[in-house]
Amino acid sequence: GAGVSQSPSNKVTEKGKDVELRCDPISGHTALYWYRQSLGQGLEFLIYFQGNSAPDKSGLPSDRFSAERTGGSVSTLTIQRTQQEDSAVYLCASSSDRGAYNEQFFGPGTRLTVL
Amino acid sequence: SQELEQSPQSLIVQEGKNLTINCTSSKTLYGLYWYKQKYGEGLIFLMMLQKGGEEKSHEKITAKLDEKKQQSSLHITASQPSHAGIYLCGADDLKLVFGQGTRLTINP
Repeated sequence: GAGVSQSPSNKVTEKGKDVELRCDPISGHTALYWYRQSLGQGLEFLIYFQGNSAPDKSGLPSDRFSAERTGGSVSTLTIQRTQQEDSAVYLCASSSDRGAYNEQFFGPGTRLTVL
Repeated sequence: SQELEQSPQSLIVQEGKNLTINCTSSKTLYGLYWYKQKYGEGLIFLMMLQKGGEEKSHEKITAKLDEKKQQSSLHITASQPSHAGIYLCGADDLKLVFGQGTRLTINP
């Protein structure tokens, strides 16, 4: 079946521009996560959605970052006024539920380069 | 918050050799994931361990969680070029946390 998909796969933008990254989770998965991986660093949690609950935004690095999830399915991560330090691979994952024992399925990621 | 430390950070082995990657947690692990990452393919789930002393195998990859549930090891037997990639351990501590990854290169 279809896995988690993300678009675009690559995005090059100029400093100061806004970007939108899209994630299509696995159908029926109620939990959706955004992570990013910067060069030389491990994965960093950004934000988590679970059903209709308020999202856990504790990982967002600044107020330039925001995310929404429409209709409990597709999610968009928006970065406003991009900075060079925002360059990273942004990964989306979904799982059937929240918790330590529910496998997260990851998308291929969006590689963001801010010039 | 929980922190995961992986070692080594980078590993180069000859094809056919065995290797081990370690993941050490600052807190007791209640769910430990191993993932493999190849560029453009996202993270691939390998195994999940929950119980102290648990060991799981898939093809030539074996993962163990120690009795104290603070350390896990990933062992690859008779490595092949297809094993090359970045291996990540992850744990659930309110949110998923990951180690910094181990970059594995297999030389023919």
